[in-house]
Amino acid sequence: GQQVMQIPQYQHVQEGEDFTTYCNSSTTLSNIQWYKQRPGGHPVFLIQLVKSGEVKKQKRLTFQFGEAKKNSSLHITATQTTDVGTYFCAGPMNRDDKIIFGKGTRLHILP
Amino acid sequence: KAGVTQTPRYLIKTRGQQVTLSCSPISGHRSVSWYQQTPGQGLQFLFEYFSETQRNKGNFPGRFSGRQFSNSRSEMNVSTLELGDSALYLCASSLGLSRPSWEQYFGPGTRLTVT
Repeated sequence: GQQVMQIPQYQHVQEGEDFTTYCNSSTTLSNIQWYKQRPGGHPVFLIQLVKSGEVKKQKRLTFQFGEAKKNSSLHITATQTTDVGTYFCAGPMNRDDKIIFGKGTRLHILP
Repeated sequence: KAGVTQTPRYLIKTRGQQVTLSCSPISGHRSVSWYQQTPGQGLQFLFEYFSETQRNKGNFPGRFSGRQFSNSRSEMNVSTLELGDSALYLCASSLGLSRPSWEQYFGPGTRLTVT
């Protein structure tokens, strides 16, 4: 079936280092969303990308949507302890528009 | 605007019982989706309701059901609970008016433990 894969599953970085998580879909996505879930919290919407090749920035976060609209990435520059959490990508599958979430990348920050 | 609210926040049930969870979406949002979150499986889509109609359904057994009321509030029901149903159940609301309009706002979730 249609899947959204995220890598890596876990990432430990030293505070101040950069971090990137990748999202790959088995099918073309009409759009992709990114969410962040802090430990013990609930997913919080970060951004939505719609256009092929789109790049959006939010302060230290850079989001990219692939040209073929089958992959996306989230890059965090100079991580801080507040970046700790799990980052999910999600996309509607074309046929029935069900939202499929990736399994997330859990980011740990080492002080 | 008030956020998405879910009740109860925590619940302990025994196998074989049934449970009803409630979700109140953000005012003006007409779409409510339900997800099951477990450490092993991540966020799995249960179903989506829009204007009191089920618009999409995930791959869960018929023991999982839901409904939406005219005020957009939604409930989900799980009958004949199994140990494997222990999870965080998240509700998410969105405007749901047109595609793509997928920005979802999640509630705090209901932590269900089945013993």
